[in-house]
Amino acid sequence: DTGVSQDPRHKITKRGQNVTFRCDPISEHNRLYWYRQTLGQGPEFLTYFQNEAQLEKSRLLSDRFSAERPKGSFSTLEIQRTEQGDSAMYLCASSTDRGRGYSEAFFGQGTRLTVV
Amino acid sequence: AQSVTQLDSHVSVSEGTPVLLRCNYSSSYSPSLFWYVQHPNKGLQLLLKYTSAATLVKGINGFEAEFKKSETSFHLTKPSAHMSDAAEYFCVVMGYSSASKIIFGSGTRLSIRP
Repeated sequence: DTGVSQDPRHKITKRGQNVTFRCDPISEHNRLYWYRQTLGQGPEFLTYFQNEAQLEKSRLLSDRFSAERPKGSFSTLEIQRTEQGDSAMYLCASSTDRGRGYSEAFFGQGTRLTVV
Repeated sequence: AQSVTQLDSHVSVSEGTPVLLRCNYSSSYSPSLFWYVQHPNKGLQLLLKYTSAATLVKGINGFEAEFKKSETSFHLTKPSAHMSDAAEYFCVVMGYSSASKIIFGSGTRLSIRP
């Protein structure tokens, strides 16, 4: 399977704990995105990378959230001191530069986080 | 800056009748526009994309969309709805600039009546 993969698929954690999610993009896709989706809502942009550089971070992302993409390959999203409001589906996507703008984004299956 | 507005949060049609899901966009540059579909408990799947070639774009499962610059619209249509089309549909915009990110609309839930 050469699609975008996310790990874990599901995570249940107690409030106040730290969690880390991983995303492996499609090989050689230079752009990687993180989104958050709550029930009945569209995906909300969190942050994105071009290669290893984090180009933008949403104002939705508090200081408890941090994302990295070392070496421009896989990415991790960490949430510190989780709160019940962090419960959501966290989606990762990747895309590539086709020479005139970027291609469509390919999405992973997501990591569903439940904070209890 | 880019944005998209999906004009209907919920659309219900009878099986076999046409589908119209409306989307308006705003973009400072010539945008790329996409429609994605999300079935319950499934991932996001690309239906079709517009990237400044033909203004009428055909996608999978009989869907198509027309880019109308004068109306800043990118409505999704299908001539005849099928029960399997019931899902959430998202209109998505990406600007041409290398700094552009992907922005989602709020989604339209499509229900199909037997």
